[in-house]
Amino acid sequence: DAKTTQPPSMDCAEGRAANLPCNHSTISGNEYVYWYRQIHSQGPQYIIHGLKNNETNEMASLIITEDRKSSTLILPHATLRDTAVYYCIVRVGYNQGGKLIFGQGTELSVKP
Amino acid sequence: DVKVTQSSRYLVKRTGEKVFLECVQDMDHENMFWYRQDPGLGLRLIYFSYDVKMKEKGDIPEGYSVSREKKERFSLILESASTNQTSMYLCASRQAGTEAFFGQGTRLTVV
Repeated sequence: DAKTTQPPSMDCAEGRAANLPCNHSTISGNEYVYWYRQIHSQGPQYIIHGLKNNETNEMASLIITEDRKSSTLILPHATLRDTAVYYCIVRVGYNQGGKLIFGQGTELSVKP
Repeated sequence: DVKVTQSSRYLVKRTGEKVFLECVQDMDHENMFWYRQDPGLGLRLIYFSYDVKMKEKGDIPEGYSVSREKKERFSLILESASTNQTSMYLCASRQAGTEAFFGQGTRLTVV
């Protein structure tokens, strides 16, 4: 099963872009990269996912390297409400959608 | 909006009690999951289910069992609660290949 590695914590100034890295060097060709975040005392919330192309939605952008061994989640204009723990997950398993294994995540602190 | 509802937000139980944590989803999702979350350890998968009456162990199944008699409901059972099972429990559901939706969590304290 592919595992992910993320820095335990990061700081970002309000209004600046937050770039959260994730390493997944053992990812398989048909495994997707998912990002979730968890604001204190709430359940995790889906942000974005991708296979090999870069993806963008209203919340964030996801940049996946060509060899797919790492990715970066970009919050283009971080706000105080983006302070949360961000999880990078590789979807493991091949039948019925597979299970989601969470790592430790990155605790992002957005500061005024 | 997809809703994943956990039956209790806070629960206090005594050591040795049998505890049921209930989770219901309203989107006809095939996959359902139970996680526990502890400080410094992140989210750890206890059990998951691909379909009704189907279940698989996650990373930390010891001391837990699950039941999925209906597609929308996934129950986590602590056969004999112990203090080391004091934790935040999170339920999630997803359709195969799509994002997961999480409940708000149940904070269980075993005294």
